[in-house]
Amino acid sequence: QVQLQESGPRLVKPSETLSLTCTVSGDSMSSPVKYWSWIRQHPGKGLEYLGYVSYTGATYYSPSLKSRLDMSIDTSKRQFSVRLSSVTTADTAVYYCAREGAYGDFEIDPWGQGILVTVSS
Amino acid sequence: EIVLTQSPGTLSLSPGERATLSCRPSQRLDSNYLAWYQQKPGQAPRLVIFGASRRAAGIPDRFSGSGSGTEFTLTINRLEPEDFAVYFCQQYGTSPRTFGQGTKVEMK
Repeated sequence: QVQLQESGPRLVKPSETLSLTCTVSGDSMSSPVKYWSWIRQHPGKGLEYLGYVSYTGATYYSPSLKSRLDMSIDTSKRQFSVRLSSVTTADTAVYYCAREGAYGDFEIDPWGQGILVTVSS
Repeated sequence: EIVLTQSPGTLSLSPGERATLSCRPSQRLDSNYLAWYQQKPGQAPRLVIFGASRRAAGIPDRFSGSGSGTEFTLTINRLEPEDFAVYFCQQYGTSPRTFGQGTKVEMK
């Protein structure tokens, strides 16, 4: 059974960089049909897709956040990561890591449990 | 970007009733790359339906998805207490992937 677990600082100061890591268990990360993704959810709101990184390191970022996002993967550690720079209070959200492609396309399954990151001084 | 509009915002139903949730993309989805996710309070979303009509592993057959183009539907027959949650649709055929704003299925 595939499981994903987010980790990282839960409190980040404005203008600093948010950094999160997702650790994967139960699945090989080295598959061309799977992508490793980040999605966030502002408190009490809907879901916002941030982007993905493939096992080769290829990335896709949401256009609205592209200038601030950086994603990477380390298959030897079974981890992938996201960095979001120059954060503001508007970046306070629950951040989920997830896998895309379980059924061959880009459906998202499973998701990590999520980690609430608060941006505050 | 494709905007997904879900309706209604809230559905108040009793256990045993049928829930019908709508998701309308702002542009035609040619590939039926439409998924539905269930989210309960304090939990991560869970994939329910993908490819517009295919159930994810472990999802009971009272859940069904249908539709194409610019209108998609999630139907939950004979609601069980564990089905009361928020449901999001998502399109993953066109970048950027986008989500609907969600429909809350609450117990009447």
